[in-house]
Amino acid sequence: DIQMTQSPSSLSASVGDRVTITCRASQSISNYLNWYRQKPGKAPKLLIYAASSLQSGVPSRFSGSGSGTDFTLTISSLQPEDFATYYCQQSYSTPRTFGQGTRLDIK
Amino acid sequence: QVQLVQSGAEVKKPGSSVKVSCKASGGTFSRYTISWVRQAPGQGLEWMGGIIPISGTANYAQKFQGRVTITADKSTSTAYMELSSLRSEDTAVYYCCRVPAVMDAFDIWGQGTMVTVSS
Repeated sequence: DIQMTQSPSSLSASVGDRVTITCRASQSISNYLNWYRQKPGKAPKLLIYAASSLQSGVPSRFSGSGSGTDFTLTISSLQPEDFATYYCQQSYSTPRTFGQGTRLDIK
Repeated sequence: QVQLVQSGAEVKKPGSSVKVSCKASGGTFSRYTISWVRQAPGQGLEWMGGIIPISGTANYAQKFQGRVTITADKSTSTAYMELSSLRSEDTAVYYCCRVPAVMDAFDIWGQGTMVTVSS
């Protein structure tokens, strides 16, 4: 199975800040990498697919980059609704696997 | 807009089985893969398996092989996930989600079904 490791596991930031979350795969997954945001008590929401493609309806403050084993999710200017948990997920092989999550809190 | 609507919360005894449904409304069901992902309380996301409704072909995570069965009824646009030999560690929220062929990602999620396993 491909292991996905996110860093940091948690971080604190303020509204308007720029934040970056990193995801590393245990082997090369090309660009088969997706990002989700999950608010408490809600289902995850797809933000970015294929490493850098913005899902329809997702604000442009979200962006993704990377290929191979190292990927990043950047939020250019944090909004109140962005304080949540973020997950990366590989779609290169079965079983699909997720990172452990990055919790983003208000500073 | 397609929505995935799941069945309600369940409380089960250890050793029993649970079957969760996921009905697609507002769009075509058969052209996509439907996957199941679970989340234990306070934990991360775990993929269990998926099915291509148009063919009925399912695949499962090795961890759940032999305990999980995913099926689909094209006539009602409903997918099902049945988990047997339940244990306390299976207490979790179970989500169904859609995977479009053009985008190998979980783009639409059901609202989740809480399954509690307790004696």
